[in-house]
Formats: sequence, C-alpha cells, structure tokens
Amino acid sequence: DIQMTQSPSSLSASVGDRVTITCRASQSISRSLHWYQQKPGKAPKHLIYAASSLQSGVPSRFSGSGSGTEFTLTISSLEPEDVAVYYCQQYGTSPFTFGPGTRVDIK
Amino acid sequence: QLQESGPGLVKPSQTLSLTCAVSSGSISSSGYSWSWIRQPPGKGLEWIAYIYYSGDTYYNPSLKSRITISIDTSNNQFSLKLSSVTAADTAVYFCARRNVYNAFDIWGQGTMVTVSS
Repeated sequence: DIQMTQSPSSLSASVGDRVTITCRASQSISRSLHWYQQKPGKAPKHLIYAASSLQSGVPSRFSGSGSGTEFTLTISSLEPEDVAVYYCQQYGTSPFTFGPGTRVDIK
Repeated sequence: QLQESGPGLVKPSQTLSLTCAVSSGSISSSGYSWSWIRQPPGKGLEWIAYIYYSGDTYYNPSLKSRITISIDTSNNQFSLKLSSVTAADTAVYFCARRNVYNAFDIWGQGTMVTVSS
C-alpha cells in the first residue's frame, strides 16, 4: 500500500495568515491526489482533485500543488470557518489511502 | 443525499450490517460508484470498498476476506457487511459517492458502530 504522511500534524495560525500543509506519498502517484476538509462531528468535504483543481463551490483561498511524491494544500488567508482537520488521499494505486490529517486551529 | 442506517452496537465475532440510502439521483448513474469509508474514534480515514451499479466490486485487501458489498438498484441503496468483527472495527462508518476523478464527492453523515459485548 502507498503510505501517506502529512506535516505538520497540527498548526495554529491567526485569521488572515497564509497556511501551508504538506502531504507526502511513499511512492510516486503523479498528480493522483485529493484534499478533504473535516469539521468536528461532520463528514469530510472534498476540496481539491487531481492535486490542484478546485472542486466546485470551494472558496478560491484554497489551492493545491505538487506532483510525484510531494504535495501542498495552501489556504491563502485563513478564515475562522477553516478550523478543521485536513486530509490528503491518493488514488494512484489501489487501495486508496488517506494521510493522517492536519488539524488547523485559530491562534 | 446519502444516509447510513444500521445497528449502533455489534457483539464481537458477529457481522456488522449497514445500508446507505441514496435519496437524490439514481444509484445507476454512469460514472459513479458507491463507497464505504470508516474512521475509528479520534483517528484517520480508511477506505473499505466500492461498488458500481453493475455489481462490480473493489475491496481494500486488508479487509477483503471479511467484506461483502452489494447494491440494490430498485431501492436506490447499497450495503456493507463486515464479518467476524472485533473492537478494532469500532468506528464511524461513512457511505460516499466516488466520481470520475476518484474523489469521494458526496458523503453521508456517518453512523457510529461500536463492537462490544
């Protein structure tokens, strides 16, 4: 199975800050990566597909980049409603696997 | 649009059975498949399996020997059975739609299943 890691495991930032989360795959997955946002007690919400394409309806402050084994999710200006855990998920090779998550809080 | 249902408590060694009702759109729509994903308390997400309306199935090898996923197109729902459960199977179980980009783009609210005697 492809192992996914994320860093940091948690972060605290101020409203308006730029936030970057890194996701790494144990082997190359090209651009076969999604990002999800999960708020407490809720199901995950799909944010980004194919590493960098924004899902319809997702605010433009979210962006993704990367290919191969290293990917990033960036929130250009953190809003209070962005408090959540963010997960990456690879679909380059079955079984699909998720990263362990990055918790984002407001400082 | 997706709603899970099933027992919240299952005894060890028994079979966990869940159903996901699709209330908006047809489960037979082309380009989509129907998935189960779980999340142990305080932990991350684990993909379990998905099924197409044709009945083609894809399982996570780590669970394959214990899983059965099925689809009922006439009732617009699909189901999961997980046999020989242990405490390690305690989790929130989500059903989700998988789209052509291999993304889980629509999710149910999730249902908590506890394995305990």
